[in-house]
Amino acid sequence: EAGVAQSPRYKIIEKRQSVAFWCNPISGHATLYWYQQILGQGPKLLIQFQNNGVVDDSQLPKDRFSAERLKGVDSTLKIQPAKLEDSAVYLCASSVRQAANEKLFFGSGTQLSVL
Amino acid sequence: LAKTTQPISMDSYEGQEVNITCSHNNIATNDYITWYQQFPSQGPRFIIQGYKTKVTNEVASLFIPADRKSSTLSLPRVSLSDTAVYYCLVGDRPNDYKLSFGAGTTVTVRA
Repeated sequence: EAGVAQSPRYKIIEKRQSVAFWCNPISGHATLYWYQQILGQGPKLLIQFQNNGVVDDSQLPKDRFSAERLKGVDSTLKIQPAKLEDSAVYLCASSVRQAANEKLFFGSGTQLSVL
Repeated sequence: LAKTTQPISMDSYEGQEVNITCSHNNIATNDYITWYQQFPSQGPRFIIQGYKTKVTNEVASLFIPADRKSSTLSLPRVSLSDTAVYYCLVGDRPNDYKLSFGAGTTVTVRA
C-alpha cells in the first residue's frame, strides 16, 4: 500500500517569498492533516480536513498561510509571504476517518528553510 | 484540554527494557491513548494504542491503570534502532479528533 506522498522534500527560499507544499494522502483516507514541526519540538497541527471541508484551522496563521483540499484528495499548503520563523518541517498526515481511535499515517515531510 | 506530560529524555543500553510513563490527568471518557515513534527526517509512525488495561503488539506493550490518568509504554529488549522520539497522545478538546503532540521523550539507546 502506498503511503502519504509529499513534495518537495526540501525547499529553500528567502523571506517574503512564497512557497507551496503538496500532499497526496493514502487512497480512501477521508481525513487529512497538516502539521508544522520546528526543530526540537513536537508537530503542531495547522489544519485538519474532513474530505474537502475544514474541521480545525485554529492554529493556522491565516494572514500568511492557506490550505486547500480540492475534491477531497490532494492538498496544498501555501505560505505567502514567508518569514524566518516559518523554517520548519511541514508534515502531512491522513487517516481513514475522524474517530477517537483513529491512526494517523504521516508522510516524510517537506523541510523548509527561510533565509 | 487533555494535555500530556512525559519525561524529556531517557537513556538505555541495548537489550534493556525501556518504560516511558505519560501523564494525562484530564483524559476524557472517549479518549484513546496513542503512542507514536519518530526517527530523524521522518514523520511520526504509529506504535500502539489502548483504552484501558494492557495492550501488546509485536513492537511494544502499553499499560493503562484503571483511572486512565497515566499510561506506560514498554519497549522490550531495545536495540540501537529504537533510538527515536516517542510521543504520547490523547484527544484535544474541543475538537475530539484533534491529536496534539507534546515535546515527546527522546530515547537514546547505547551499545
